[in-house]
Amino acid sequence: GDSVTQMEGPVTLSEEAFLTINCTYTATGYPSLFWYVQYPGEGLQLLLKATKADDKGSNKGFEATYRKETTSFHLEKGSVQVSDSAVYFCALSANTGGFKTIFGAGTRLFVKA
Amino acid sequence: SAVISQKPSRDICQRGTSLTIQCQVDSQVTMMFWYRQQPGQSLTLIATANQGSEATYESGFVIDKFPISRPNLTFSTLTVSNMSPEDSSIYLCSVLGPQERGGLEETQYFGPGTRLLVL
Repeated sequence: GDSVTQMEGPVTLSEEAFLTINCTYTATGYPSLFWYVQYPGEGLQLLLKATKADDKGSNKGFEATYRKETTSFHLEKGSVQVSDSAVYFCALSANTGGFKTIFGAGTRLFVKA
Repeated sequence: SAVISQKPSRDICQRGTSLTIQCQVDSQVTMMFWYRQQPGQSLTLIATANQGSEATYESGFVIDKFPISRPNLTFSTLTVSNMSPEDSSIYLCSVLGPQERGGLEETQYFGPGTRLLVL
């Protein structure tokens, strides 16, 4: 079945460092891909999404490109801030015979001042 | 976009009791979902709440343990029945929001969650 694998955390970075969180997926068909962020004590918020191959999703300085050839959707940010400390979830959805989102395990990011 | 509120935001319950969680959306939505997020884990879909009919449960979840109501297009409840410490989790309501103007795809929105601790 469909699945999402993302790098284990926690990831600890200093402020202004470059961030990459790896995400790969397996799916039949052509899923949409998402990154969600969960700040401490809050629910999930959609960070960015891409719906087809080579699409780039971007928001708040974060970017991810839908790579069909490598089945990847890695999250990147050029310069992280302390306020980016959160748990990041990679996810896919395939609206085939019913809507369902599959989430990765989540990667916790700590950014130090 | 869709704004979702959940009640209660957190609770501490005794084993063997039941808790009903409410989810209210600020707009009419077709699809509503209930997820569980166990400590340090990812999200697991419990069921899809269907308006006017029985919820559709995922493997490993049953109606007797997690009865769900969906009386209209803006409201749903999830009950966690006969609770045990293993039910300690965050329970999240989610909806498939309205299509963006001119867009073809829908966006999934999440409520703030209900943090449940069972002693």
